[in-house]
Amino acid sequence: NAGVTQTPKFQVLKTGQSMTLQCAQDMNHNSMYWYRQDPGMGLRLIYYSASEGTTDKGEVPNGYNVSRLNKREFSLRLESAAPSQTSVYFCASSLRPVGTSGTRTDTQYFGPGTRLTVL
Amino acid sequence: GEDVEQSLFLSVREGDSSVINCTYTDSSSTYLYWYKQEPGAGLQLLTYIFSNMDMKQDQRLTVLLNKKDKHLSLRIADTQTGDSAIYFCAVDQTGANNLFFGTGTRLTVIP
Repeated sequence: NAGVTQTPKFQVLKTGQSMTLQCAQDMNHNSMYWYRQDPGMGLRLIYYSASEGTTDKGEVPNGYNVSRLNKREFSLRLESAAPSQTSVYFCASSLRPVGTSGTRTDTQYFGPGTRLTVL
Repeated sequence: GEDVEQSLFLSVREGDSSVINCTYTDSSSTYLYWYKQEPGAGLQLLTYIFSNMDMKQDQRLTVLLNKKDKHLSLRIADTQTGDSAIYFCAVDQTGANNLFFGTGTRLTVIP
């Protein structure tokens, strides 16, 4: 099992360009997430998909869109990149949405990240 | 959302114990996690604790939870150079479908 995979690993964009970050998991998980990591700020949730066919905004959704293509894949799109979107982006997945399973933990598993620079 | 705070840096000598601290604000958190991030890599789950526990031990790792003070700590015994990494505390929140992360503590182990 590859776990959670992300492409690309690195990307440089110019302001105004668009791109899509890809994420796939092979653990048959229902829930998937996109986070961004900025220095001194920890990870902040951009969007998540509790189950196939649903998506919801997280803490910092502005400037992003997502698509839950199927159970395995969850993509993040930047329509018009801005320098403020320079960050490391992590995709994660869990069997069930975090915080909903009572006495059973729903551990999130993370991909290796995409380092994005917007000039 | 929930505020989760950690100190940014910690340095210890090889062989000593490391203690990484975390505070959070929402008393309804059910699960509290510790993740490790090595340079250039994603986050790897180290351990977690359920909110009705005070302590959990897993080999060299000991997690202590003080629910009254909303304080979580991770102790690494006999710290090795391979333990050098950033350690993130993360907590869930009732009704929220995501984890809330601290800023991360960069642990440096001095040989």
